[in-house]
Amino acid sequence: EGQLVESGGGLVQPGKSLRLSCEASGFNFDDYAMHWVRQPPGKGLEWVSRIVWNSESVGYADSVQGRFTISRDNAKSTLYLHMDRLTDADTALYYCAKSNNAYNRGAFDVWGQGTMVIVSS
Amino acid sequence: DIHMTQSPSSLSASVGDRVTITCRASQSIDRYLNWYQQKPGKAPKLLIYAASNVQRGVPSRFSGSGSGTDFTLTISSLQPEDFATYSCQQSYTTLYTFGQGTKVEIK
Repeated sequence: EGQLVESGGGLVQPGKSLRLSCEASGFNFDDYAMHWVRQPPGKGLEWVSRIVWNSESVGYADSVQGRFTISRDNAKSTLYLHMDRLTDADTALYYCAKSNNAYNRGAFDVWGQGTMVIVSS
Repeated sequence: DIHMTQSPSSLSASVGDRVTITCRASQSIDRYLNWYQQKPGKAPKLLIYAASNVQRGVPSRFSGSGSGTDFTLTISSLQPEDFATYSCQQSYTTLYTFGQGTKVEIK
């Protein structure tokens, strides 16, 4: 089925940057689209960003558009999320998730355990 | 953006009960509707994809139905391990919005 392991979270000051990583194993990483989903403490799930299998198409939630950048390195089976100009509204547990297809309209069938991002001065 | 509304937001039920959760989309999403289960401190788990397809390994007591704007998740006979939060998600557009979640608690 596969496994995803996120890293890179932590405490960061407002206005600063952070890069999250997600290392995949157990499946052909370059066959699937990948996503980032976040969950603020005690709240529901919010989709953040997506990237198709060959990086030719990416997308972002309105709340992060222009500040976050998703990328992937298929040779390393790793997904990234670069986050700029962080605000306290970005405080959340960030999950990476595998789509069940290479492009869009898929469901998220494998999830990581999440990495916590806390934005605070 | 497509807005997803779940009802109820929470419910109390007993082991063995039949439980139904509904999800309504603000516009038609065909059958691009997925359901997830999340237990405290754990990552979400895919239960149902494309409205009615049960993910491999998910017990047969879980089922999904609907199309267009109205969808349901049904648990035919609630088991102790099913007490969790359930969320719907649309994948019709590339802004993959989730519902707010339905918490299923023990009565």
